Amino acid sequence: QLQLQESGPGLVKPSETLSLTCTVSGGSISSTTYYWDWIRQPPGKGLEWIGSIYHSGSSFYNPSLQSRVTISVDTSNNQFSLKLNSVTATDTAAYYCARRVLGATIHFDIWGQGTMVTVSS
Amino acid sequence: QSALTQPASVSGSPGQSITISCTGTSSDIGGYNYVSWYQQHPGKAPKLIIYDVSSRPSGVSIRFSGSKSGNTASLTISGLQAEDEAVYYCTSYTNTGALVLFGGGTQLTVL
Repeated sequence: QLQLQESGPGLVKPSETLSLTCTVSGGSISSTTYYWDWIRQPPGKGLEWIGSIYHSGSSFYNPSLQSRVTISVDTSNNQFSLKLNSVTATDTAAYYCARRVLGATIHFDIWGQGTMVTVSS
Repeated sequence: QSALTQPASVSGSPGQSITISCTGTSSDIGGYNYVSWYQQHPGKAPKLIIYDVSSRPSGVSIRFSGSKSGNTASLTISGLQAEDEAVYYCTSYTNTGALVLFGGGTQLTVL
C-alpha cells in the first residue's frame, strides 16, 4: 500500500523559505499514472491546492502562489519537495502531500498525514 | 479564484439521509465531470470518497453517493452513522488557472 509522509521544520520565520519533503513508500514516484501534489489548510479553514509535479520534473502551480513556489522531484530517493519563499503569517497551515491520478479525471486518491508549519518570529 | 460554495453545516439523526450541496460556475462544476468529495475527521488527512461526480473508490461505503446538476454538485449520505460526523469538502477542476478549486467545507453533525 503506497504511503506518503511529509517532513520538514514546524516553525519558519517571516520572510524566510518554507521547505518540506514528501517521501513516497510502497510504490514508485516514477509511475506514469500519477502526479504528485501539495495542498495546504490554514488552521480552522478550508483546503488550497498549491501545485503539482510529474516524475519528469514538469510542474505547475496555483497562480495565486506561483511567484513564491517551487516544487521539485528526486526520483532516486522517491521524494518530492516544496519550497515557498518570503513566507508570512498567512502561510501558517497544515501542509499535505497527495497523489493525483493522471488522465481524464482530477482527484487526490492518497494523502500524507500532513505537517503543521507555523510562520512566526 | 473563489472557492466553491458549500453550506457551513448540516445535521441529521442516525439512519437518516443528508445531502450536501456544492455550487460553482460553468468554468468548473458546470463545465466538467471532475467533481470529487473528501471526508476529513479532526486532526486527520482528507479521505477521497467520491470522484468524477459519482464514482466511489474501492472500500468506500455505498452509503455515499454523488451527483451533479448544472453548476451544483451534491453528496448524499444515506443511513447516517456516528462515524460519518466529519467535515466534507468538494473539489472541481477549473479552467481558470488554479487546476483545482475546493469548497469551504461542510461540518456534518450526527445528532
